[in-house]
Amino acid sequence: EADIYQTPRYLVIGTGKKITLECSQTMGHDKMYWYQQDPGMELHLIHYSYGVNSTEKGDLSSESTVSRIRTEHFPLTLESARPSHTSQYLCASSDPLQTGYGRNEQFFGPGTRLTVL
Amino acid sequence: AQSVAQPEDQVNVAEGNPLTVKCTYSVSGNPYLFWYVQYPNRGLQFLLKYITGDNLVKGSYGFEAEFNKSQTSFHLKKPSALVSDSALYFCAVRERSNDYKLSFGAGTTVTVRA
Repeated sequence: EADIYQTPRYLVIGTGKKITLECSQTMGHDKMYWYQQDPGMELHLIHYSYGVNSTEKGDLSSESTVSRIRTEHFPLTLESARPSHTSQYLCASSDPLQTGYGRNEQFFGPGTRLTVL
Repeated sequence: AQSVAQPEDQVNVAEGNPLTVKCTYSVSGNPYLFWYVQYPNRGLQFLLKYITGDNLVKGSYGFEAEFNKSQTSFHLKKPSALVSDSALYFCAVRERSNDYKLSFGAGTTVTVRA
């Protein structure tokens, strides 16, 4: 079944730990995105990718990094987590290969709620 | 630059009454417009979109939205609200000349009371 997956769903860790949030999609999409959703619930784009080996910074500055080695996989890494990184992180994807031209909706994963103590 | 405003943080309605969630946008040129809904501890679910053509767009779960170019609005509506419609609703916009990035509004919390 075509879907977008995020693991873990919930993560509680201590300050200074390195973490990787996983995102995978079986939608056949080439565009992928990471959003940070703060306690006020507003969404901010922090990273996006147009395809393999393509990554760009989003509108909100973030200390996280991303990689896109495979079309279906778009992990987000924090080298040293801090309490200020506590938030919900949402992964999304859109646009099947070579189609869409921006008119297609984004599909979202269930999110990872990160708490850094 | 593209942006979206959702002027109401909260909307409260009684079950069976009409529901309206307001959205206005700002873009250069013509927009693509989207509505999403988010339930607690979940990701966003797509409801409907306006691309071109008929100004009245019908979507999932009985929702519809009307594109009004002169008022730069894209209000979400449902004729008869259900308690299960209680959730957080986001409007989003993308300029047609832009790349694939969406700009989201701040969200409107809808509460439908029984």
